[in-house]
Amino acid sequence: KNEVEQSPQNLTAQEGEFITINCSYSVGISALHWLQQHPGGGIVSLFMLSSGKKKHGRLIATINIQEKHSSLHITASHPRDSAVYICAVKGAQKLVFGQGTRLTINP
Amino acid sequence: DADVTQTPRNRITKTGKRIMLECSQTKGHDRMYWYRQDPGLGLRLIYYSFDVKDINKGEISDGYSVSRQAQAKFSLSLESAIPNQTALYFCATSPGQAYNEQFFGPGTRLTVL
Repeated sequence: KNEVEQSPQNLTAQEGEFITINCSYSVGISALHWLQQHPGGGIVSLFMLSSGKKKHGRLIATINIQEKHSSLHITASHPRDSAVYICAVKGAQKLVFGQGTRLTINP
Repeated sequence: DADVTQTPRNRITKTGKRIMLECSQTKGHDRMYWYRQDPGLGLRLIYYSFDVKDINKGEISDGYSVSRQAQAKFSLSLESAIPNQTALYFCATSPGQAYNEQFFGPGTRLTVL
């Protein structure tokens, strides 16, 4: 079993829909990252959080440390949100990455 | 200009050749990392450096070596490339404590024939 599991692996939705991507982990962590990988390959850090909730524009990230679970939400999704979203957990000595969720938003 | 740059962006080489991938950053961060990404797998850490005199192996360092020439430069070498090193390679930097927000380079797509 991977230390970091994301679901779903692939998600296709229509423009305007509310999107939720989930991340579960099995190790103790000090923080969790959400990253976005564009179709061209570039990776951008979206959030780093260790408790509660963070919001940036239409993106919201939440984390429940007790349940070892985080969610990334996108409100009013748009085709430009199409990307791979990656969860990574910060342990004592390294980051452990999930496999990513490929999101496609159709117009 | 990009804060983290990688050269080359694409490289095709043959088995047994020595390859160097270079990473430069203008962010002034002490911490630098090399990752590889394979289809269907998460990013995996090859090597990391917390300052110029500190180099550490990651989870998949076999077949790779690194050099931290300066705070701003961190190079990854494949001494004798093999086909299963075909992957997308990313350099990243982070400020402050280790594994804080990571700033990634654009990636290098390496193909070993």
